[in-house]
Amino acid sequence: ETGVTQSPTHLIKTRGQQVTLRCSSQSGHNTVSWYQQALGQGPQFIFQYYREEENGRGNFPPRFSGLQFPNYSSELNVNALELDDSALYLCASSLKILTSGRLYEQFFGPGTRLTVL
Amino acid sequence: QQQVKQSPQSLIVQKGGISIINCAYENTAFDYFPWYQQFPGKGPALLIAIRPDVSEKKEGRFTISFNKSAKQFSLHIMDSQPGDSATYFCAASSLSGGGADGLTFGKGTHLIIQP
Repeated sequence: ETGVTQSPTHLIKTRGQQVTLRCSSQSGHNTVSWYQQALGQGPQFIFQYYREEENGRGNFPPRFSGLQFPNYSSELNVNALELDDSALYLCASSLKILTSGRLYEQFFGPGTRLTVL
Repeated sequence: QQQVKQSPQSLIVQKGGISIINCAYENTAFDYFPWYQQFPGKGPALLIAIRPDVSEKKEGRFTISFNKSAKQFSLHIMDSQPGDSATYFCAASSLSGGGADGLTFGKGTHLIIQP
């Protein structure tokens, strides 16, 4: 069974640039959630993707956007980068049952460390 | 508004002792309470989780105690070992609602087990 993988591991960008982060979900999972973890803080929920559509969103501006592909992998895009966007970005995959809507445990990838200068 | 409050912020325990971390939540729609362990430079790893229909769950040296009326839950690590030194996060979610609001995390507890 393959776990959640993310790329790249580290990334350095400058203010105003755009960035794309990638995530491959765990085998058998169909739902991907993205989180932002600032240094010394707990992860903050950005959004969740299920069946290639945004299924829920936390308190993040529209310049944070995403995609989910038919193979359940996902991308996080951030436009107009700001210094405060510097953080560890985590992807978590899980299984959602279509008939019940129930979501099962979320398993996290290693994260992408984004530094905005 | 922080919906999950975690304490203490940091904790030092002697090897072989019991580590106790506490969390309190506000949203009564939460029905799933996991604990994650995170080592430096790594993503959080699911440690143990509980649903509100039970008051305690034990897996090896790790136990979750849950008090629905007080809206509190805690993690107990028995016989704490130096390898347990990590940051621990409590979290909460509404799985039956599809979890579309994601996991709400506490701010974390930095645990150090002294040999």
